[in-house]
Amino acid sequence: GQQVQQSPASLVLQEGENAELQCNFSSTATRLQWFYQRPGGSLVSLLSNPSGTKHTGRLTSTTVTKERRGSLHISSSQITDSGTYLCAMERGTGYQNFYFGKGTSLTVIP
Amino acid sequence: ETAVFQTPNYHVTQVGNEVSFNCKQTLGHDTMYWYKQDSKKLLKIMFSYNNKQLIVNETVPRRFSPQSSDKAHLNLRIKSVEPEDSAVYLCASSYWGGDEQYFGPGTRLTVL
Repeated sequence: GQQVQQSPASLVLQEGENAELQCNFSSTATRLQWFYQRPGGSLVSLLSNPSGTKHTGRLTSTTVTKERRGSLHISSSQITDSGTYLCAMERGTGYQNFYFGKGTSLTVIP
Repeated sequence: ETAVFQTPNYHVTQVGNEVSFNCKQTLGHDTMYWYKQDSKKLLKIMFSYNNKQLIVNETVPRRFSPQSSDKAHLNLRIKSVEPEDSAVYLCASSYWGGDEQYFGPGTRLTVL
């Protein structure tokens, strides 16, 4: 079955609102990573977080490894944040056993 | 600025043909990867190479083979393509165990 479940599948926000994206995984993870895929398809690493909370700009990643869940918080969303956010679970070190969720599609409207 | 380069951008071929995709990174990373993204946008890691050694091979069919001449290059060869191989193939690189991967623009393969 799917090792990584993301929710919601899609989300529509008005510019300036905050977004909370969830990621649940079915087995022990050494690290959770978040990626952003632009509508054109290119992929960008956002945050990598083994546990606890990490911030970068308007993004906050929280990983609770024992509870097999993580989240990505986007504050003050902008239209350019629109795209797909992918969560990936790493089970070993060095990207061994690296599993992706199906993503959350975010649309930010004016 | 693109630092992971992939060629070709698109490739259309027929069942049974052999194809080869190229990937080059100019970031000085020591690890490179190939991913497959299917029509449902699900991304799966296929291979990772660290210092010319294969690290992981995630139940990929044997008709797929990665080829590396040095740490800056990782090509992907598919012998005798099948319809289910139609997908976007993404190449990426990073430092071993690093937090960030850098992705190429992808190669879209269509198998008729």
